[in-house]
Amino acid sequence: DSGVTQTPKHLITATGQRVTLRCSPRSGDLSVYWYQQSLDQGLQFLIQYYNGEERAKGNILERFSAQQFPDLHSELNLSSLELGDSALYFCASSVSGEGSYEQYFGPGTRLTVT
Amino acid sequence: AQKVTQAQTEISVVEKEDVTLDCVYETRDTTYYLFWYKQPPSGELVFLIRRNSFDEQNEISGRYSWNFQKSTSSFNFTITASQVVDSAVYFCALIDPYNNNDMRFGAGTRLTVKP
Repeated sequence: DSGVTQTPKHLITATGQRVTLRCSPRSGDLSVYWYQQSLDQGLQFLIQYYNGEERAKGNILERFSAQQFPDLHSELNLSSLELGDSALYFCASSVSGEGSYEQYFGPGTRLTVT
Repeated sequence: AQKVTQAQTEISVVEKEDVTLDCVYETRDTTYYLFWYKQPPSGELVFLIRRNSFDEQNEISGRYSWNFQKSTSSFNFTITASQVVDSAVYFCALIDPYNNNDMRFGAGTRLTVKP
């Protein structure tokens, strides 16, 4: 158990809908990262937040957004969902905002868009 | 640009065999960090090791060992006396701190250890 929690574990929704994925980092970690894992694209970094502020952006679509709240939990919002958004979404946390620190991953949320 | 290549898509071994998973990386920077993660069938990603570009010492942790060679841009992972519980997908990853903290993962190597 990494100490990172993600809810829900599974989500099934229809095209065009909007969903919110939630992540709580390990105790003491200030950075939260979001990743998408799909069969065709592999594991891709989406976005990083550090202590409430956006720190780095990867291959995140404009339809996707994230935020980190004062209690350090984070939410990833996915809107206007398409079939291709079906994937496993991971949240990870690390103690620092610097990339040199290891990231601990949550169990993931499996999103299925039908 | 950063890139991580894991050329071995799938490896199958019999229990107690040693197995090496290859990882080759590309980056233009002199400061970078390399990682290995394990993804068992349950799906979570488990951190195994972090290595910075200035530390070329090999590391051993139980049955696991890592060989970092900057001259060949490789960071290979060896499991000695493999066990069925080692069956998983293993990912090598690279972070270049000057490139947006973007952790680049390789495509992964699926290891199957048969009893």
